[in-house]
Amino acid sequence: GAGVSQSPSNKVTEKGKDVELRCDPISGHTALYWYRQRLGQGLEFLIYFQGNSAPDKSGLPSDRFSAERTGESVSTLTIQRTQQEDSAVYLCASTTTTGANTGELFFGEGSRLTVL
Amino acid sequence: GQQLNQSPQSMFIQEGEDVSMNCTSSSIFNTWLWYKQDPGEGPVLLIALYKAGELTSNGRLTAQFGITRKDSFLNISASIPSDVGIYFCAGQNTGRRALTFGSGTRLQVQP
Repeated sequence: GAGVSQSPSNKVTEKGKDVELRCDPISGHTALYWYRQRLGQGLEFLIYFQGNSAPDKSGLPSDRFSAERTGESVSTLTIQRTQQEDSAVYLCASTTTTGANTGELFFGEGSRLTVL
Repeated sequence: GQQLNQSPQSMFIQEGEDVSMNCTSSSIFNTWLWYKQDPGEGPVLLIALYKAGELTSNGRLTAQFGITRKDSFLNISASIPSDVGIYFCAGQNTGRRALTFGSGTRLQVQP
């Protein structure tokens, strides 16, 4: 597809379970971001990948959160031992990193996570 | 970390009215951006600003990059029902790619 694809679109899980969210970026986009958006709030940065460089993990809220990306392809965000406070929409975005337009992120539709 | 204060939090206006919203920061940014988010969708870029003092238009939208690099505003002229959504400002600095987002302005337009 032409856009950023995320799956699942909705996930309901029980407290304490692990979840994995997937992001398929736009082909050719070297940079990939994960953001979290709680209900009625802004976007909270989680992690940034750029090619094969070490990721910027400065936004991950705890060691229960981790993410992987192989090269310039798919990324997975894993949340272990989920808590109710993890309930949110998890947005993935990709972009190119050449020139001045590196702030022009292309977002997916998000994965809505509900922890019961 | 850096924080953006966005205001107003929400607006309810009549179709045809002009709208103004702004964003301020305690620290400078090298790039300011404005995104719009429709329900159930990811944010979409509206306008990007790269120079202090820059004023940029995109149709009925006009945005400015504050001269101090610590603020930006977005104006929407002659609002229409499809302008409904949440508008986010975002700042970015050279050397740190991650965007810092404001908390959003929820816009409702009464036909």
